Amino acid sequence: KNQVEQSPQSLIILEGKNCTLQCNYTVSPFSNLRWYKQDTGRGPVSLTIMTFSENTKSNGRYTATLDADTKQSSLHITASQLSDSASYICVVSENGVTGGGNKLTFGTGTQLKVEL
Amino acid sequence: DVKVTQSSRYLVKRTGEKVFLECVQDMDHENMFWYRQDPGLGLRLIYFSYDVKMKEKGDIPEGYSVSREKKERFSLILESASTNQTSMYLCASSLDRDSWIIYSGNTIYFGEGSWLTVV
Repeated sequence: KNQVEQSPQSLIILEGKNCTLQCNYTVSPFSNLRWYKQDTGRGPVSLTIMTFSENTKSNGRYTATLDADTKQSSLHITASQLSDSASYICVVSENGVTGGGNKLTFGTGTQLKVEL
Repeated sequence: DVKVTQSSRYLVKRTGEKVFLECVQDMDHENMFWYRQDPGLGLRLIYFSYDVKMKEKGDIPEGYSVSREKKERFSLILESASTNQTSMYLCASSLDRDSWIIYSGNTIYFGEGSWLTVV
């Protein structure tokens, strides 16, 4: 069964500090891996999308890495801000499953809180 | 700017009522999805549609149905609401069918969510 495991489940850091969130997956065949940010009570917003050939991708202070061999990804947040407080969801896409598009497997998210 | 709009943000319904959740996207996307999100479970796919009048079951279709009469609109229907359907419902859309191409970098856009409470 395809699974996406995220760690830690929750994290509290001080403003200005860096942090790294982890995502391990067992999805196969792999198509791509996405990181989403979800503010409380809002819908998820895309941060990055990576295919198997991409090792790293940045979006401002967010940098995602992917190791397709070990099936691990990380999301690094640099110089955190209060507005980074949110749930970060890792989503892995399974290639070519049905006629309706790739199947997505969602992690349960890491809840990040940035404090003063 | 990309937009997926869910018509109702907060609803309270009684057990047995019929519930309609509406979703509209303005990006001419082919794919549309309905998920529910529960604490500790992540997003789970209820139904998706890759074209007008086409629909496919997701992982948890029981108790739900959908309708896609127009490309921009995808409706989720709870025929007879039950308390275990209390949840946050998220609509999403994406551009292509991407089932037979290896790379799909197309973003999936989500709506703001509909919080449904069934009492």
